[in-house]
Amino acid sequence: GENVEQHPSTLSVQEGDSAVIKCTYSDSASNYFPWYKQELGKRPQLIIDIRSNVGEKKDQRIAVTLNKTAKHFSLHITETQPEDSAVYFCAASMKGTGFQKLVFGTGTRLLVSP
Amino acid sequence: DAMVIQNPRYQVTQFGKPVTLSCSQTLNHNVMYWYQQKSSQAPKLLFHYYDKDFNNEADTPDNFQSRRPNTSFCFLDIRSPGLGDAAMYLCATSRARADTQYFGPGTRLTVL
Repeated sequence: GENVEQHPSTLSVQEGDSAVIKCTYSDSASNYFPWYKQELGKRPQLIIDIRSNVGEKKDQRIAVTLNKTAKHFSLHITETQPEDSAVYFCAASMKGTGFQKLVFGTGTRLLVSP
Repeated sequence: DAMVIQNPRYQVTQFGKPVTLSCSQTLNHNVMYWYQQKSSQAPKLLFHYYDKDFNNEADTPDNFQSRRPNTSFCFLDIRSPGLGDAAMYLCATSRARADTQYFGPGTRLTVL
């Protein structure tokens, strides 16, 4: 079925530490995996994405890794800062009833303490 | 240079009084989505349009309807809002299905 599991649901780190959020998906045909950051009261914003033809992608302090065999992908944030505090959602493309759609994970609340 | 615009940003309605939320886009994207989001939960997809082709999620209540009169605009109609419909409603667009989605700022709906 359509399912994206996301862990942990909450994550507290000290400023400067690394944070890792993991997602697993059920559809072996999934080929697109975006990550969204949502600050309190604001819209979800795309921060990084990866397609199934690559295993890793980096953008400054943010990286995403994909393991297609195990059907999981992870978000890595290095040198965390208080402004990284937000809810992060992963998503995976999945085949719905007749068409592809994005299925979102349940979210991870990241708190970065100064 | 806003790309996905939602109006109003805040909407207060009474129990059972119909309400319409608006979304417009300047990206010329083929797909427009409506999501419901409660209390930092994941956005829940209600339905989407691919061009004029409407696609409803199986668990979307009949109380929710949508219209897309042209490429740029999409409306969410809630025919008889209940207290449980109080939420943030997010509009999003993408060039193709299962492609990068760009979200609007949302409309926060309060039902009294």
